[in-house]
Amino acid sequence: KQEVTQIPAALSVPEGENLVLNCSFTDSAIYNLQWFRQDPGKGLTSLLLIQSSQREQTSGRLNASLDKSSGRSTLYIAASQPGDSATYLCAVRTTGSGNTGKLIFGQGTTLQVKP
Amino acid sequence: KAGVTQTPRYLIKTRGQQVTLSCSPISGHRSVSWYQQTPGQGLQFLFEYFSETQRNKGNFPGRFSGRQFSNSRSEMNVSTLELGDSALYLCASSAGTAFEQYFGPGTRLTVT
Repeated sequence: KQEVTQIPAALSVPEGENLVLNCSFTDSAIYNLQWFRQDPGKGLTSLLLIQSSQREQTSGRLNASLDKSSGRSTLYIAASQPGDSATYLCAVRTTGSGNTGKLIFGQGTTLQVKP
Repeated sequence: KAGVTQTPRYLIKTRGQQVTLSCSPISGHRSVSWYQQTPGQGLQFLFEYFSETQRNKGNFPGRFSGRQFSNSRSEMNVSTLELGDSALYLCASSAGTAFEQYFGPGTRLTVT
């Protein structure tokens, strides 16, 4: 059974700092991995999607890496800003048995960036 | 292109009642998935529909059901509501084989 863990559960950093959020999963047979951002009481915003054959994806100040063999992904945020404060969720899509699988989420890391 | 929309945004129901939530996917997206989010359990997959067929289901009781229409709009129904069904229900749509999920704002259901 696929399980996704995110560490730390919460993180507080001063503005301008570079930071790394961690995600680990127990079954390396994944279809893809997606990072999301969620603001309080809101839906999820997709940040980056990494297919199983890829090692990393970049978008602006964000860089996500994937190491399937070790069951790990990291989300790197450069030059953090107060507007980056949110909960960051990692989700893996299972490969399923002849179907498209399903998305399994971690519990999230709540980030606070202080001005 | 308009995003995923969900209606209603907020709902208050009484135990034992039933509720129907609606989701309109991004235009051209044929896959719609539903998730339940609670503080204790986090985000959990309910089911996924593609071309009016359920192609994946999570571990929820039969009180939770869904359907998808020919225009890809989807509804989920919860019958005989329990207090524990209070949650944020999120819908997501995707297209193609990348399966990148785009989420709606959610429906906040409160059961009293």
